[in-house]
Amino acid sequence: NAGVTQTPKFQVLKTGQSMTLQCAQDMNHNSMYWYRQDPGMGLRLIYYSASEGTTDKGEVPNGYNVSRLNKREFSLRLESAAPSQTSVYFCASSDTNGYEAFFGQGTRLTVV
Amino acid sequence: GDSVTQMEGPVTLSEEAFLTINCTYTATGYPSLFWYVQYPGEGLQLLLKATKADDKGSNKGFEATYRKETTSFHLEKGSVQVSDSAVYFCALSEGSATNKLIFGTGTLLAVQP
Repeated sequence: NAGVTQTPKFQVLKTGQSMTLQCAQDMNHNSMYWYRQDPGMGLRLIYYSASEGTTDKGEVPNGYNVSRLNKREFSLRLESAAPSQTSVYFCASSDTNGYEAFFGQGTRLTVV
Repeated sequence: GDSVTQMEGPVTLSEEAFLTINCTYTATGYPSLFWYVQYPGEGLQLLLKATKADDKGSNKGFEATYRKETTSFHLEKGSVQVSDSAVYFCALSEGSATNKLIFGTGTLLAVQP
């Protein structure tokens, strides 16, 4: 069972470059999330999607955009990368009426 | 807004020692509470959960009790193993339809043989 799959696993960008982080889940979950993990700060919610066709801002949305392409896929886009966006990014999904969120393996992004 | 505070690490223990990682929360409603674990190089996975006051979540020898009166959800294990070395995150869900999770900062546990 694949669960939540993120690509790529590692990425180095130059300041100002753009890129899209991909996420797909095969559990038929309605809700999907993007978090960033930084030392000493835990995981902070960037954006979430409660259902196909809807997206909402989380705690730290500035500098990011998202697309809920269909029920399976939820992508995160950095239009103009900045060193402050160096982080580990996690995608997660959950059932609307469930309690457990399932996480991908993470994308380690470095912006130089 | 809702928030989670957990003890800072790292916590270093010898094998078979008793573990406690403190977690307190602030919430306006009646959240569900969780402990997630992150092993090196991996994503987070659910360790245990409790959905209402006085519930006890348990898994793999770990336990935590939802204490509404003290707004706490402390993680305990009677005898840790080297394989328990990981980062532990306390989290709450606001209980809305989106099931958004709010995380604490994480506590690194290192168990020495």
